[in-house]
Amino acid sequence: GNSVTQMEGPVTLSEEAFLTINCTYTATGYPSLFWYVQYPGEGLQLLLKATKADDKGSNKGFEATYRKETTSFHLEKGSVQVSDSAVYFCALSDPSSNDYKLSFGAGTTVTVRA
Amino acid sequence: GAGVSQSPSNKVTEKGKDVELRCDPISGHTALYWYRQSLGQGLEFLIYFQGNSAPDKSGLPSDRFSAERTGGSVSTLTIQRTQQEDSAVYLCASSLNGGGTGGHGYTFGSGTRLTVV
Repeated sequence: GNSVTQMEGPVTLSEEAFLTINCTYTATGYPSLFWYVQYPGEGLQLLLKATKADDKGSNKGFEATYRKETTSFHLEKGSVQVSDSAVYFCALSDPSSNDYKLSFGAGTTVTVRA
Repeated sequence: GAGVSQSPSNKVTEKGKDVELRCDPISGHTALYWYRQSLGQGLEFLIYFQGNSAPDKSGLPSDRFSAERTGGSVSTLTIQRTQQEDSAVYLCASSLNGGGTGGHGYTFGSGTRLTVV
């Protein structure tokens, strides 16, 4: 079956620090990969996505590259801000099976201090 | 509406009581999904609606859980005889269409935090 494993938190950083959140996946086919973000008191929002190997998704200074050889989709940002404090979820969908269903990782809580 | 609306935002109930959670999707979105987020766990898929029918309800954890959708719009998730392990955040999402979207265009609500005491 499909599954996602992401690094456990919580992660606490200072402003302007470099952020990496590791995500690896298991899938039977060729999945699409996503990062969702959940700000305090809000619903999940799609942060970025990649649909095939070597694609790089990017948004709001965040980047993640779809690495088929290492089955990874690590999230990075070069200089975080206090406003980046949130819970980040890695997710996948597998077009070869039940495309509408998203499989999520457990989430990583990130706190950025001023 | 402009977003996916869920109510109530918080619900505390006694063990053994029934609860109903409501989701109002974005107007025109034919697909609707329920997920559950338990403490320290990822988001767990519960059920998927396309229109008023549920082609996949494989994630419902027991027969105490049921869901319906009427008019291709509002959905209600019902939990009967609640147990403490049902305590979680229940998230609803909608999308313009279902299969083939691969997660594109999902809009999530803010969730209902259910606490069973």
